[in-house]
Amino acid sequence: KQEVTQIPAALSVPEGENLVLNCSFTDSAIYNLQWFRQDPGKGLTSLLLIQSSQREQTSGRLNASLDKSSGRSTLYIAASQPGDSATYLCAAMKTSYDKVIFGPGTSLSVIP
Amino acid sequence: NAGVTQTPKFQVLKTGQSMTLQCAQDMNHEYMSWYRQDPGMGLRLIHYSVGAGITDQGEVPNGYNVSRSTTEDFPLRLLSAAPSQTSVYFCASSYRDGGNTEAFFGQGTRLTVV
Repeated sequence: KQEVTQIPAALSVPEGENLVLNCSFTDSAIYNLQWFRQDPGKGLTSLLLIQSSQREQTSGRLNASLDKSSGRSTLYIAASQPGDSATYLCAAMKTSYDKVIFGPGTSLSVIP
Repeated sequence: NAGVTQTPKFQVLKTGQSMTLQCAQDMNHEYMSWYRQDPGMGLRLIHYSVGAGITDQGEVPNGYNVSRSTTEDFPLRLLSAAPSQTSVYFCASSYRDGGNTEAFFGQGTRLTVV
């Protein structure tokens, strides 16, 4: 059974810092890995999708990497801003089942 | 392009009432699913469908029914609402293109059962 964990559960940093969010999954025979952002009381916004044949994706100040052999993905946020404050969720997808298994999320707070 | 649309956005039910949460997608995706999100529990899969006429149970299916008569729609039915079903419900759809897939989510339905 696929399990997805995220470390840390919560993170508070001053504005301008670079930071790394970690995601681990138990079944490395995957996958696509998708990172989402969720603002309080809101839905999920897709940030980055790493397809099975890729190792990383970049969008603006965000960079996500995927290492299937170690069962890990990281989301790197450069020059953090208060507007980055949200919960970040990683989700692992196994194409043969099409199920999306979520991690518990990392709650990020960027202090001005 | 509407993507995934959920209605209603908010709902209050009395214990024992029934209701249907609506989900529609306009991207012609094969796969649709329902999740519930609870504090400290994360997002948990309730039911999913890999195509019209095909549904299956997820992690927490009890108390919920689904059907998939069309590719576009995937309603979630609560037969007899219970306070334990107070949660935020998300519908998602995804495509499969060879070995690749991507999930798209609706904005959620916040349900309170009193």
